[in-house]
Amino acid sequence: DQQVKQNSPSLSVQEGRISILNCDYTNSMFDYFLWYKKYPAEGPTFLISISSIKDKNEDGRFTVFLNKSAKHLSLHIVPSQPGDSAVYFCAASGTSGTYKYIFGTGTRLKVLA
Amino acid sequence: DTAVSQTPKYLVTQMGNDKSIKCEQNLGHDTMYWYKQDSKKFLKIMFSYNNKELIINETVPNRFSPKSPDKAHLNLHINSLELGDSAVYFCASSFSYNEQFFGPGTRLTVL
Repeated sequence: DQQVKQNSPSLSVQEGRISILNCDYTNSMFDYFLWYKKYPAEGPTFLISISSIKDKNEDGRFTVFLNKSAKHLSLHIVPSQPGDSAVYFCAASGTSGTYKYIFGTGTRLKVLA
Repeated sequence: DTAVSQTPKYLVTQMGNDKSIKCEQNLGHDTMYWYKQDSKKFLKIMFSYNNKELIINETVPNRFSPKSPDKAHLNLHINSLELGDSAVYFCASSFSYNEQFFGPGTRLTVL
Protein backbone atom coordinates (compact mmCIF):
# COMPACT_ATOMS: atom_id res chain seq x y z
CA ASP A 1 0.00 0.00 0.00
CA GLN A 2 1.87 3.02 -1.28
CA GLN A 3 0.73 5.97 0.81
CA VAL A 4 2.78 8.50 -1.14
CA LYS A 5 2.61 8.35 -4.91
CA GLN A 6 4.45 10.10 -7.68
CA ASN A 7 2.58 8.97 -10.75
CA SER A 8 4.92 10.48 -13.32
CA PRO A 9 8.14 8.48 -13.43
CA SER A 10 9.77 11.02 -15.73
CA LEU A 11 9.42 14.57 -17.01
CA SER A 12 11.30 16.54 -19.67
CA VAL A 13 11.30 20.34 -19.70
CA GLN A 14 13.10 22.96 -21.75
CA GLU A 15 15.65 25.11 -19.97
CA GLY A 16 14.08 28.32 -18.69
CA ARG A 17 10.58 26.88 -18.54
CA ILE A 18 8.66 25.77 -15.48
CA SER A 19 8.96 22.23 -14.12
CA ILE A 20 6.01 20.90 -12.14
CA LEU A 21 6.44 17.72 -10.18
CA ASN A 22 3.41 16.18 -8.53
CA CYS A 23 2.86 14.04 -5.47
CA ASP A 24 -0.32 12.50 -4.06
CA TYR A 25 -0.86 10.97 -0.66
CA THR A 26 -3.61 8.90 0.86
CA ASN A 27 -3.12 9.28 4.60
CA SER A 28 -4.98 12.30 5.96
CA MET A 29 -2.82 12.18 9.10
CA PHE A 30 0.23 13.36 7.15
CA ASP A 31 1.02 16.92 8.15
CA TYR A 32 4.60 17.57 7.08
CA PHE A 33 5.95 17.15 3.58
CA LEU A 34 9.40 17.38 2.06
CA TRP A 35 10.99 17.29 -1.36
CA TYR A 36 14.39 15.77 -1.98
CA LYS A 37 16.60 15.84 -5.04
CA LYS A 38 18.84 12.93 -5.94
CA TYR A 39 21.71 12.78 -8.39
CA PRO A 40 23.05 9.41 -9.60
CA ALA A 41 25.37 7.65 -7.13
CA GLU A 42 24.55 10.19 -4.41
CA GLY A 43 22.15 10.26 -1.51
CA PRO A 44 18.97 12.37 -1.60
CA THR A 45 19.46 16.04 -0.74
CA PHE A 46 16.79 18.01 1.10
CA LEU A 47 15.22 20.72 -1.05
CA ILE A 48 12.18 22.26 0.57
CA SER A 49 9.45 21.41 3.05
CA ILE A 50 5.92 22.45 3.88
CA SER A 51 3.76 22.05 6.94
CA SER A 52 0.05 21.37 6.66
CA ILE A 53 -0.72 24.74 8.24
CA LYS A 54 0.53 26.37 5.04
CA ASP A 55 -0.48 25.95 1.43
CA LYS A 56 2.67 27.39 -0.11
CA ASN A 57 6.36 27.64 0.68
CA GLU A 58 8.98 29.33 -1.46
CA ASP A 59 12.74 29.11 -1.56
CA GLY A 60 14.39 30.82 -4.48
CA ARG A 61 13.44 29.03 -7.69
CA PHE A 62 11.59 26.32 -5.79
CA THR A 63 7.98 26.56 -4.59
CA VAL A 64 5.95 23.81 -3.01
CA PHE A 65 2.15 23.96 -3.03
CA LEU A 66 -0.05 21.88 -0.77
CA ASN A 67 -3.71 21.13 -1.42
CA LYS A 68 -4.90 19.31 1.68
CA SER A 69 -8.41 18.65 0.45
CA ALA A 70 -7.05 16.94 -2.64
CA LYS A 71 -4.18 15.33 -0.69
CA HIS A 72 -1.85 16.66 -3.34
CA LEU A 73 1.38 18.59 -3.35
CA SER A 74 3.49 19.90 -6.17
CA LEU A 75 6.97 21.27 -6.60
CA HIS A 76 7.46 24.11 -9.07
CA ILE A 77 10.91 24.97 -10.37
CA VAL A 78 11.15 28.28 -12.20
CA PRO A 79 13.18 28.78 -14.28
CA SER A 80 14.39 25.23 -14.84
CA GLN A 81 18.13 24.79 -15.34
CA PRO A 82 20.11 21.82 -16.72
CA GLY A 83 21.62 21.31 -13.25
CA ASP A 84 18.11 20.58 -11.97
CA SER A 85 18.14 17.30 -13.89
CA ALA A 86 17.82 14.68 -11.16
CA VAL A 87 15.30 12.38 -9.50
CA TYR A 88 12.91 14.18 -7.17
CA PHE A 89 11.29 12.43 -4.22
CA CYS A 90 8.45 13.69 -2.11
CA ALA A 91 8.15 12.45 1.45
CA ALA A 92 5.46 12.76 4.10
CA SER A 93 5.22 12.28 7.81
CA GLY A 94 2.21 12.19 10.05
CA THR A 95 1.47 13.60 13.44
CA SER A 96 4.04 16.27 14.15
CA GLY A 97 6.91 14.81 16.03
CA THR A 98 7.19 11.52 14.27
CA TYR A 99 10.51 10.45 12.87
CA LYS A 100 9.05 8.24 10.16
CA TYR A 101 8.87 9.57 6.64
CA ILE A 102 7.14 7.78 3.77
CA PHE A 103 8.79 8.40 0.42
CA GLY A 104 7.31 8.41 -3.05
CA THR A 105 8.98 6.47 -5.86
CA GLY A 106 10.46 9.56 -7.44
CA THR A 107 10.16 11.49 -10.71
CA ARG A 108 13.16 11.80 -13.00
CA LEU A 109 13.39 15.36 -14.29
CA LYS A 110 15.40 16.12 -17.39
CA VAL A 111 15.97 19.76 -18.25
CA LEU A 112 16.93 20.15 -21.87
CA ALA A 113 19.40 22.87 -22.85
CA ASP B 1 34.13 17.67 5.69
CA THR B 2 31.60 15.04 4.60
CA ALA B 3 28.39 15.38 6.59
CA VAL B 4 27.12 11.78 6.45
CA SER B 5 29.55 9.14 5.28
CA GLN B 6 29.07 5.44 4.63
CA THR B 7 31.55 2.65 4.07
CA PRO B 8 31.87 0.77 1.89
CA LYS B 9 30.33 2.41 -1.17
CA TYR B 10 30.08 -0.92 -2.98
CA LEU B 11 29.77 -4.37 -1.48
CA VAL B 12 29.67 -7.58 -3.51
CA THR B 13 29.34 -10.81 -1.59
CA GLN B 14 28.08 -14.37 -1.76
CA MET B 15 24.79 -15.64 -0.38
CA GLY B 16 25.06 -16.75 3.22
CA ASN B 17 27.85 -14.36 4.16
CA ASP B 18 27.67 -11.81 6.96
CA LYS B 19 28.52 -8.19 6.20
CA SER B 20 28.45 -4.79 7.88
CA ILE B 21 27.93 -1.26 6.61
CA LYS B 22 29.19 1.65 8.67
CA CYS B 23 27.74 5.14 8.91
CA GLU B 24 29.08 8.26 10.57
CA GLN B 25 27.70 11.79 10.75
CA ASN B 26 29.56 14.91 11.85
CA LEU B 27 26.54 17.22 11.94
CA GLY B 28 25.86 16.87 15.64
CA HIS B 29 22.46 15.32 14.91
CA ASP B 30 20.72 13.22 17.51
CA THR B 31 18.83 10.88 15.19
CA MET B 32 20.12 8.42 12.59
CA TYR B 33 18.36 6.16 10.11
CA TRP B 34 18.85 3.27 7.73
CA TYR B 35 16.86 3.18 4.49
CA LYS B 36 16.72 0.54 1.77
CA GLN B 37 16.14 1.46 -1.85
CA ASP B 38 15.18 -1.61 -3.82
CA SER B 39 15.12 -2.29 -7.55
CA LYS B 40 11.77 -0.53 -7.87
CA LYS B 41 13.36 2.58 -6.36
CA PHE B 42 11.18 2.53 -3.26
CA LEU B 43 13.04 4.26 -0.43
CA LYS B 44 11.86 2.53 2.72
CA ILE B 45 12.90 3.17 6.27
CA MET B 46 14.33 0.23 8.16
CA PHE B 47 15.55 1.57 11.49
CA SER B 48 15.97 4.80 13.37
CA TYR B 49 17.92 5.65 16.49
CA ASN B 50 17.46 8.75 18.60
CA ASN B 51 20.23 9.39 21.11
CA LYS B 52 21.37 5.80 20.70
CA GLU B 53 17.91 4.39 21.40
CA LEU B 54 15.98 2.42 18.80
CA ILE B 55 12.80 4.33 17.96
CA ILE B 56 11.78 2.90 14.60
CA ASN B 57 12.06 -0.76 13.74
CA GLU B 58 10.11 -1.55 10.61
CA THR B 59 9.22 -5.04 9.47
CA VAL B 60 12.74 -6.10 8.68
CA PRO B 61 14.11 -9.66 8.92
CA ASN B 62 16.00 -10.17 12.14
CA ARG B 63 19.06 -10.97 10.05
CA PHE B 64 19.44 -7.19 9.99
CA SER B 65 20.78 -5.72 13.20
CA PRO B 66 21.58 -2.05 13.68
CA LYS B 67 24.05 -0.90 16.27
CA SER B 68 24.62 2.64 17.51
CA PRO B 69 27.77 2.90 19.63
CA ASP B 70 27.27 6.66 19.96
CA LYS B 71 25.11 9.43 18.52
CA ALA B 72 27.46 9.94 15.58
CA HIS B 73 27.52 6.34 14.39
CA LEU B 74 24.94 3.84 13.21
CA ASN B 75 26.14 0.58 11.75
CA LEU B 76 24.12 -2.09 9.99
CA HIS B 77 25.05 -5.73 10.26
CA ILE B 78 23.43 -8.29 7.99
CA ASN B 79 23.66 -12.03 8.67
CA SER B 80 23.16 -14.85 6.19
CA LEU B 81 22.79 -12.58 3.17
CA GLU B 82 20.13 -13.49 0.60
CA LEU B 83 19.68 -12.52 -3.03
CA GLY B 84 16.74 -10.28 -2.07
CA ASP B 85 19.00 -8.18 0.13
CA SER B 86 20.61 -6.70 -2.97
CA ALA B 87 19.77 -3.00 -2.89
CA VAL B 88 21.20 0.40 -2.14
CA TYR B 89 21.30 1.15 1.57
CA PHE B 90 21.25 4.77 2.69
CA CYS B 91 22.17 6.10 6.06
CA ALA B 92 20.67 9.44 7.13
CA SER B 93 20.71 11.74 10.13
CA SER B 94 18.58 14.56 11.44
CA PHE B 95 18.13 16.88 14.35
CA SER B 96 15.07 15.43 16.02
CA TYR B 97 12.32 14.83 13.42
CA ASN B 98 13.38 17.53 11.01
CA GLU B 99 14.60 17.01 7.46
CA GLN B 100 17.13 14.25 7.04
CA PHE B 101 20.60 14.41 5.57
CA PHE B 102 21.55 11.34 3.58
CA GLY B 103 24.83 9.58 3.01
CA PRO B 104 25.95 8.58 -0.51
CA GLY B 105 24.58 5.06 -0.23
CA THR B 106 26.08 1.57 -0.21
CA ARG B 107 25.25 -0.62 -3.17
CA LEU B 108 25.03 -4.20 -1.94
CA THR B 109 25.06 -7.01 -4.48
CA VAL B 110 24.48 -10.54 -3.28
CA LEU B 111 25.52 -13.26 -5.74
